[in-house]
Amino acid sequence: DGGITQSPKYLFRKEGQNVTLSCEQNLNHDAMYWYRQDPGQGLRLIYYSQIVNDFQKGDIAEGYSVSREKKESFPLTVTSAQKNPTAFYLCASSMWGTYNEQFFGPGTRLTVL
Amino acid sequence: RKEVEQDPGPFNVPEGATVAFNCTYSNSASQSFFWYRQDCRKEPKLLMSVYSSGNEDGRFTAQLNRASQYISLLIRDSKLSDSATYLCVSSTSGTYKYIFGTGTRLKVLA
Repeated sequence: DGGITQSPKYLFRKEGQNVTLSCEQNLNHDAMYWYRQDPGQGLRLIYYSQIVNDFQKGDIAEGYSVSREKKESFPLTVTSAQKNPTAFYLCASSMWGTYNEQFFGPGTRLTVL
Repeated sequence: RKEVEQDPGPFNVPEGATVAFNCTYSNSASQSFFWYRQDCRKEPKLLMSVYSSGNEDGRFTAQLNRASQYISLLIRDSKLSDSATYLCVSSTSGTYKYIFGTGTRLKVLA
């Protein structure tokens, strides 16, 4: 089955800790994205990557970091510098070009204790 | 003004009804549009893509009006299982950006 997987599904973090969210896709998509969703708000773009070893900041990149060492993988690290990290994090992928549909993973719900 | 705007609802409709949602966009350079369905605490799932004037898939019809800068989603013969939040998305060629609306909640009532 082709698709996007994210892990873990739920994550609890203490203040001051860094955590890494996993995202893997086997759709052979070029582009991968990370979004954050808060209640009552639309999806906001954190980072995106068009190609291996290249990534760009989105609208709310502060306090986050990413890497793209393999085409299939795009992990997101939520650092202690992120002031309000509790949210639903969604990873997506697409063929490059915004006329192409994005497909989403099941998401990771992060809660800071 | 938000780049993509949707009425948050909720739209409460009886089973079997026809319901329509509108979504307006402000960037005239937007070229591609998508409707996604999102169930509570789940990921968005692609419902339809809208590239030209419109698209139809079974009970669902999407239409694009470039002159007035809106897209619509029509659901005929609503089912209980159609209850969800419907997200409108626009994108612009040559950019990385997909712009998401905040969604319209639909509740189909028995």
